[in-house]
Amino acid sequence: GNSVTQMEGPVTLSEEAFLTINCTYTATGYPSLFWYVQYPGEGLQLLLKATKADDKGSNKGFEATYRKETTSFHLEKGSVQVSDSAVYFCALTGRGSTLGRLYFGRGTQLTVWP
Amino acid sequence: DAGVIQSPRHEVTEMGQEVTLRCKPISGHDYLFWYRQTMMRGLELLIYFNNNVPIDDSGMPEDRFSAKMPNASFSTLKIQPSEPRDSAVYFCASSRQENEKLFFGSGTQLSVL
Repeated sequence: GNSVTQMEGPVTLSEEAFLTINCTYTATGYPSLFWYVQYPGEGLQLLLKATKADDKGSNKGFEATYRKETTSFHLEKGSVQVSDSAVYFCALTGRGSTLGRLYFGRGTQLTVWP
Repeated sequence: DAGVIQSPRHEVTEMGQEVTLRCKPISGHDYLFWYRQTMMRGLELLIYFNNNVPIDDSGMPEDRFSAKMPNASFSTLKIQPSEPRDSAVYFCASSRQENEKLFFGSGTQLSVL
């Protein structure tokens, strides 16, 4: 079946620190992979995505590379800001599944201090 | 575009009462999803619709939960009777058929006392 495992939080960093949030997945076939972000009091928003192996998704300084060999999609940012404080969700949608039928990880809370 | 609109934003009710959550998807989106978010279980898909037809309701916890989509611009999630363990944030999301990106509403924070 399809599932996503991401590192448990909370993650607390100082401003300008390097961020990595690990995500690994299990899926049949070749899924599309996503990172969603949830700011306090809001719904989830798509941060970035990758649809095939070796693709790199990027947005707002965040990056993640689709690694088929390690079934991973780790989220990275070189220099975090206070405004990046949020909950980050790794997700996948499997081939053959209805578009939008997302399987989410448990989420990782990130807090960035000035 | 106004995005996915959910109401109410907050709902506080007593155990045993009926609760109705509402969602207006983005115009032109063929898929609508109801998710529940709790600390214990994270994000769970409850049910989703394609062109107003329920496709998969295997995530609906029990018969107390029901969802309808009478037309392309409106959906409801009903809990009757409500229980304290139903307390959670309920999200509605929609997507276009040809696009995998999900657009989420701001959620309804439900508290059942």
